[in-house]
Amino acid sequence: KNQVEQSPQSLIILEGKNCTLQCNYTVSPFSNLRWYKQDTGRGPVSLTIMTFSENTKSNGRYTATLDADTKQSSLHITASQLSDSASYICVVRPGGSYIPTFGRGTSLIVHP
Amino acid sequence: DSGVTQTPKHLITATGQRVTLRCSPRSGDLSVYWYQQSLDQGLQFLIQYYNGEERAKGNILERFSAQQFPDLHSELNLSSLELGDSALYFCASSVVEDRSYNEQFFGPGTRLTVL
Repeated sequence: KNQVEQSPQSLIILEGKNCTLQCNYTVSPFSNLRWYKQDTGRGPVSLTIMTFSENTKSNGRYTATLDADTKQSSLHITASQLSDSASYICVVRPGGSYIPTFGRGTSLIVHP
Repeated sequence: DSGVTQTPKHLITATGQRVTLRCSPRSGDLSVYWYQQSLDQGLQFLIQYYNGEERAKGNILERFSAQQFPDLHSELNLSSLELGDSALYFCASSVVEDRSYNEQFFGPGTRLTVL
């Protein structure tokens, strides 16, 4: 069964600090992995997409990594800002299928 | 603003009732996707349409149905509502039939409360 597990479930950090969110998946065959940011009460917004051949991809202060061998991805946030407070969702799409598998998300709170 | 619109924003109804959620995709997008997000389940894919045709089905209950009209807007019909159907329902759209790499743009969601 395709599964996506995210950790930690929630995280509280101080503004300006860095943090790393984890995503482990068992989706097979693998096509791509997306990280979404979802502000409270709003729709998710894509941050990055990783394909099999990509190890690292950055989008501003967000850097995603992918290890396709261990089926793990991470999202690193540098110099956090109050606006980074949101839920971060990892989504994996299997090859040959339109149906993605979503993680439950990591709730990040950035305190001033 | 993603360009995807959803109405209504909030919906409160009673068990056993039927409701219709509406979605207008971004201009030019042919694919529409519906998702359910509840507190205990996270985001779940329900169904996808491309240019009026059903393309993929996820964990959509038989009490739920959807369609995409010639003007590309889509409606999600939920019937015989139960308390457990209370959730946020998101619509997303993408440019073409999803080839895995096309980004989906999400609407603001409809919050359904079943009392």
